[in-house]
Amino acid sequence: TAGITQAPTSQILAAGRSMTLRCTQDMRHNAMYWYRQDLGLGLRLIHYSNTAGTTGKGEVPDGYSVSRANTDDFPLTLASAVPSQTSVYFCASSASGPDTQYFGPGTRLTVL
Amino acid sequence: GQNIDQPTEMTATEGAIVQINCTYQTSGFNGLFWYQQHAGEAPTFLSYNVLDGLEEKGRFSSFLSRSKGYSYLLLKELQMKDSASYLCAVSDSGYALNFGKGTSLLVTP
Repeated sequence: TAGITQAPTSQILAAGRSMTLRCTQDMRHNAMYWYRQDLGLGLRLIHYSNTAGTTGKGEVPDGYSVSRANTDDFPLTLASAVPSQTSVYFCASSASGPDTQYFGPGTRLTVL
Repeated sequence: GQNIDQPTEMTATEGAIVQINCTYQTSGFNGLFWYQQHAGEAPTFLSYNVLDGLEEKGRFSSFLSRSKGYSYLLLKELQMKDSASYLCAVSDSGYALNFGKGTSLLVTP
């Protein structure tokens, strides 16, 4: 079982460019999440989706957008990247709301 | 708002026991999670507490006191591979987890 996959593994992006980070899960989980992890700050929630067709804002949503067209996929888009978005991005999923979350392997993004 | 505190770093000796504490103040409570994260890897689930008391799972145990807003993760018979960050996370009345900044544990020979 693949669980959760993320692509790309890493990326270097010029400031001002757009990019979509991909996340796919095969566990038929209802809820999906995007976190960023920065040294000294821990994991912070960017956006979440309780079920297909719905999304919500987390702690640090500015500069990011998400969509949830189906159960399996939850892409994260940076419309115009800035250096402060340099981070490691983790996608996660859970069967439903407060259940255990399972994390993807992460995407390391550098914005120059 | 959310406030989750845990020590930044801890060091322990191989074979010993270590306790990692976590205190929290949240607007709601649906449970407390502990995750382990090795350097360069994703967090992996260790334990879940929603009721007061101790949950034991092999060498790892987790304790919760909801009235005190307090939890700890107990690691017994430490092994070198236990060197990692340990993340305390609280599920409040919403759908997301609120994470502490993590405790970096170094196990020495």
